[in-house]
Amino acid sequence: EDKVVQSPLSLVVHEGDTVTLNCSYEVTNFRSLLWYKQEKKAPTFLFMLTSSGIEKKSGRLSSILDKKELFSILNITATQTGDSAVYLCVLYNNNDMRFGAGTRLTVKP
Amino acid sequence: GAGVSQTPSNKVTEKGKYVELRCDPISGHTALYWYRQSLGQGPEFLIYFQGTGAADDSGLPNDRFFAVRPEGSVSTLKIQRTERGDSAVYLCASSSTRGETQYFGPGTRLLVL
Repeated sequence: EDKVVQSPLSLVVHEGDTVTLNCSYEVTNFRSLLWYKQEKKAPTFLFMLTSSGIEKKSGRLSSILDKKELFSILNITATQTGDSAVYLCVLYNNNDMRFGAGTRLTVKP
Repeated sequence: GAGVSQTPSNKVTEKGKYVELRCDPISGHTALYWYRQSLGQGPEFLIYFQGTGAADDSGLPNDRFFAVRPEGSVSTLKIQRTERGDSAVYLCASSSTRGETQYFGPGTRLLVL
């Protein structure tokens, strides 16, 4: 059965810290892995990863995929209070998508 | 509009009532998805439309839930005889076609008393 496991489930850090969020998966017919940030209600798209070892970067956020070990990480450097959110990992296979439960990140001033 | 919109943003109803939730996808997006998200959990897939047809409704929990997209654009999720367990945030997303990046609306928070 396809599954997506995110860790940790929650994380509390202080501004300026660097965090690494993890997403491990088991899926047949892997197509892509996406990261979303969910602050209030609507998840907003961050990255789409399809190939191993190629880092995607946007400002202080970066992400990479390892298709051999079946995981992805999302890094946030120099965290700010505005980074506080739930970060969702989403797997696409050929037929559907599966969400992880998310990691709730809290950044304290 | 530029993004996916959903109305209403909040809906409070009584157990047993009927509710309709509306989703306006990004213009030109043929794929539309409905999800339900309970507190502390990731979104749970309900139904997927490709154009006007429900290509995959395997996530609908029971026959009280129904969705339509008659003209291939706006979609309505309909819940009959609401139960307290239906309380959740209902998210809509659209993508240019299936498998492409989904863009989410702000959701409708449904509370069944």
